[in-house]
Formats: sequence, C-alpha cells, structure tokens
Amino acid sequence: DQQVKQNSPSLSVQEGRISILNCDYTNSMFDYFLWYKKYPAEGPTFLISISSIKDKNEDGRFTVFLNKSAKHLSLHIVPSQPGDSAVYFCAAFISGTYKYIFGTGTRLKVLA
Amino acid sequence: ETGVTQTPRHLVMGMTNKKSLKCEQHLGHNAMYWYKQSAKKPLELMFVYNFKEQTENNSVPSRFSPECPNSSHLFLHLHTLQPEDSALYLCASSQAEGPIEETQYFGPGTRLLVL
Repeated sequence: DQQVKQNSPSLSVQEGRISILNCDYTNSMFDYFLWYKKYPAEGPTFLISISSIKDKNEDGRFTVFLNKSAKHLSLHIVPSQPGDSAVYFCAAFISGTYKYIFGTGTRLKVLA
Repeated sequence: ETGVTQTPRHLVMGMTNKKSLKCEQHLGHNAMYWYKQSAKKPLELMFVYNFKEQTENNSVPSRFSPECPNSSHLFLHLHTLQPEDSALYLCASSQAEGPIEETQYFGPGTRLLVL
C-alpha cells in the first residue's frame, strides 16, 4: 500500500506560467514533508520542506502548501522556467523514524 | 569534494560476482542511508545508519550487506545478485539531532545492471 502518491506521472507547462505539482498521503502520523527535484543521472536535490504545524512555506519561486484535513500537499513554481524541467518527488516522514516515504515522482516539462 | 559522492557511477555485474558500492559524505552528518530506485517505483529505503549503528533494515535480502565504518563512509556489499536487483542505488546523509532528523542530501547514485 503506497502511503505517498503522486497521481500525475507527467505535466507540461508553458514558460512563465505556474506549475502545480500534487501529492497525497494516507498516514496522518506524517509530520514533515519535503519536495525533491531530480535531473537525469543525478541524485534527488532537496527543494523545500514543510512541517505539519504550518500550511504554507515559501522559498523564492517555490511554495509548498499543506492541507492536513485533505492529506494533500502541493508545490507551486512561479514563474516556471525551462531549467525547472525535471522529475519532482514528494516525501513524508514521521519525526524520529529516519524513514522517508517517497512518491513515484512527476515529470515536469517547461516549454520555452 | 563536497556533498555526497558515490562510486562507481555505473556498474555491470554477473550474478556470481561480488562487488561493493561506496558512499562518502563531506557534510559532517551523522546519519547515512541506502535507497533503491527501480523504474516507475518510489524510492525504497534499504538501510539506515545513525551514529554508525544500523537502526533500520527494511526487509532487504541478505545478498545486500551494508557496512558503515565511520560516520562519513557507507558501503553496500553485493553478492549473488539477481537481474531484478538492477536499479539506481542512492546514498543519502542527514544530520540527526535527538529524535528529529533533518533534510536528507543525496549522492548522484550508482546505476547497477545485473546480467
């Protein structure tokens, strides 16, 4: 049973527009969530995180929103740039367990 | 060298071979992890070492054997692997303070092909 799900395997967005990547989870015990970006032939790179005590965290062009009641988080990228084209993974964990649970990833393509 | 490094980057091995993957972190972290990424599957956590002690073994077959000689180095020893073990193997590290772990930083991975 997959505890963290990214239901869209791919997304295409025009340069300059907003990219919205979604992630759903089933375990209400998760208290920390992260987004990673992965380019081909590289390991995942940390992008942004959010604690379960918040509902929004912003870092430059990247904003993560958390809706605990819906068990849903999303990553907004504004404005999208061609260099943002990559696979984006969401991850969740329970503090103290050292166990990240990852989604399957969404491939974002930003068109110039 | 900075961050998390992994060697080799690519490895092809037969089912009877023995090989080792190496990971080194230069971030001063005290927790290290092995993950497996197969096509169209989420990253799967294999092993966790916290302060050099193994704290997690996610039901990984014994043909995978981890070793953590110090907080900067992590090995994954491989023997008698199966073709379905072909995958990208990622190492990560984090700074674990008390019960709260922090963000994990990943290496570039080793692409393994078992023939």
